[in-house]
Amino acid sequence: EPEVTQTPSHQVTQMGQEVILRCVPISNHLYFYWYRQILGQKVEFLVSFYNNEISEKSEIFDDQFSVERPDGSNFTLKIRSTKLEDSAMYFCASSEPLAGGTQETQYFGPGTRLLVL
Amino acid sequence: AQKVTQAQTEISVVEKEDVTLDCVYETRDTTYYLFWYKQPPSGELVFLIRRNSFDEQNEISGRYSWNFQKSTSSFNFTITASQVVDSAVYFCALKADSSYKLIFGSGTRLLVRP
Repeated sequence: EPEVTQTPSHQVTQMGQEVILRCVPISNHLYFYWYRQILGQKVEFLVSFYNNEISEKSEIFDDQFSVERPDGSNFTLKIRSTKLEDSAMYFCASSEPLAGGTQETQYFGPGTRLLVL
Repeated sequence: AQKVTQAQTEISVVEKEDVTLDCVYETRDTTYYLFWYKQPPSGELVFLIRRNSFDEQNEISGRYSWNFQKSTSSFNFTITASQVVDSAVYFCALKADSSYKLIFGSGTRLLVRP
């Protein structure tokens, strides 16, 4: 069964460093998403991406964050200068379009646990 | 405003008991979608079910069943004859048709004891 994959599974970085989290969405999906989950808290939406542009973003997704689809298979989340409060589990998700423009169910990857020291 | 409330923070049951996880949602959209995801101790988010706002039919899948009631804005999840492997955090989520994002509840941690 096709699945979303994410690398790395864990990342430790120093405050102020840049990190890039990578995702390979399900191959026939066209909508891509990033969410985060701070330890013990709810899952929060960061950004959605369709047709090579951001379709929606949350207040959390400020100028420190960026997303990119550098090739036909990868989808990345970059955090330019990490802060302590960026420590969280980051989930990538993807969905396929339905007729009429709506999107199908979002399927999640296993997550990248980011720890900022 | 859109919101999902899972009032039960943690539930503990003994194996083979039935358990119901509550989910109440708020949205002004007339078309929306409701979901349940399971987060086992390993941390991934596993999709369980999706329900469209125009389809109030309840659903059963093995030991799992879902009760969607628009009149009370609820989408409750029942596990029949619970098993230890059901131990996880369960999230209810809402997606409005006008938006791309899933709005998650705070989750209910279910512990099934042998």
